[in-house]
Amino acid sequence: NAGVMQNPRHLVRRRGQEARLRCSPMKGHSHVYWYRQLPEEGLKFMVYLQKENIIDESGMPKERFSAEFPKEGPSILRIQQVVRGDSAAYFCASSPGTGSNTEAFFGQGTRLTVV
Amino acid sequence: GESVGLHLPTLSVQEGDNSIINCAYSNSASDYFIWYKQESGKGPQFIIDIRSNMDKRQGQRVTVLLNKTVKHLSLQIAATQPGDSAVYFCAEKNQAGTALIFGKGTTLSVSS
Repeated sequence: NAGVMQNPRHLVRRRGQEARLRCSPMKGHSHVYWYRQLPEEGLKFMVYLQKENIIDESGMPKERFSAEFPKEGPSILRIQQVVRGDSAAYFCASSPGTGSNTEAFFGQGTRLTVV
Repeated sequence: GESVGLHLPTLSVQEGDNSIINCAYSNSASDYFIWYKQESGKGPQFIIDIRSNMDKRQGQRVTVLLNKTVKHLSLQIAATQPGDSAVYFCAEKNQAGTALIFGKGTTLSVSS
C-alpha cells in the first residue's frame, strides 16, 4: 500500500519561472493538504483540498500560488514567477476525511530551490 | 490566536535513557493532537495521537500525556535509541478543523 507520493523530490527553478509540485494521496484518501517548511522551521499550512474543491486556502499567499486536486490525477501546487523566498520544502499530506480525529500522512516532500 | 510551541529547541540524551519532549498549545478548544517525527530530508512521520477526552495514551515505547488545564502536551520515549534522533513536532487541529498547526520542533540527539 503506497504512501503519499510527491514528485519531483528536488526541483530547481530560475527566478521568474514556474514550479509545479505533484502529490498523489494514499489509496482511498480524498483529502489533501499542502504545507511549506523553511529551514529550521515547523510546517506551515497552505491549503486543504478535496476532489475538485478548495476547502481552506487561508495559508496560501494571495499571489502567484495556486492549488488544484482534479477528479482524476494528482494534486498540483503551482507557483508562478518564483522568487528566491519561495525556496523551501513543500509537503503534501492526505487523509481519508476531516473528522477532528483524523490523522494525516505526509509524503517525502519536494525541495524547491530558486536560483 | 492559534499557535503551538515547544519548550526546548534541542534535547540531548544518552542511549537507553528516557526522553521527554514538551509542547504548549494555546487553543483551549483543540480536541486532537498528534506527535510527528521528522528525520533529515524526509517528511513528518506519524508517531502517536491523542484526543482531548484522554489524558494519556501509550504506544510502542512512546507515551503521550495531555494536560488540558495548563494546555500542555508531552511525548515520552522510553529507552531512547540512536534511531530516535530526529526533529519532533507536536501539532493540533486548527479551529476550523481543516488543518494541523505545527510548532517549531525539538531536535532530539541520542548519543551511544
